[in-house]
Amino acid sequence: DGGITQSPKYLFRKEGQNVTLSCEQNLNHDAMYWYRQDPGQGLRLIYYSQIVNDFQKGDIAEGYSVSREKKESFPLTVTSAQKNPTAFYLCASSLTSGNQPQHFGDGTRLSIL
Amino acid sequence: RKEVEQDPGPFNVPEGATVAFNCTYSNSASQSFFWYRQDCRKEPKLLMSVYSSGNEDGRFTAQLNRASQYISLLIRDSKLSDSATYLCVVNKDGSGTASKLTFGTGTRLQVTL
Repeated sequence: DGGITQSPKYLFRKEGQNVTLSCEQNLNHDAMYWYRQDPGQGLRLIYYSQIVNDFQKGDIAEGYSVSREKKESFPLTVTSAQKNPTAFYLCASSLTSGNQPQHFGDGTRLSIL
Repeated sequence: RKEVEQDPGPFNVPEGATVAFNCTYSNSASQSFFWYRQDCRKEPKLLMSVYSSGNEDGRFTAQLNRASQYISLLIRDSKLSDSATYLCVVNKDGSGTASKLTFGTGTRLQVTL
């Protein structure tokens, strides 16, 4: 079954700690994205990648980092510089040709201890 | 003006009712339009793309009005299972080379017995 897998489902971060959220897709999509969702707000784009070894900052990239070493994988690191990391993090992927919809993983909830 | 604006609701309707949501967007260059459905504490799921000529999928009808820059979603014969938040989604530019989407904050629908 093709899809997007995010792990873990729940994650707790201590002060000063970096944590990494995993996102893997087997849809053969070139483009991948990370969003953050806070209560009562729309999804906000953190980073996106259109091709392996290339990625671009989204609207709220500060305090986050990503890598794209493989087409299937786009991990997101929430660094200690991100002072308000508590949120629902969503990974998505899409084809890059034409105007394509994005398909989402089931998300990771990150909280501060 | 927000890039994508939706009435947050909630819309409380009885089972069997017809309900319509509108969404306005600010960028006249936008080329792609979608409706997503998001259940509480879950990921958004694509409900339907919105085409210039309007399109229908079972009980759901989507329409686009480019002149007035709004899209609509009509749900006929509402079911209890339609209760969710409906996200209006518009692409940021008309390039079509990468799917950079702007998400509205959503309209909440509650269908009751």
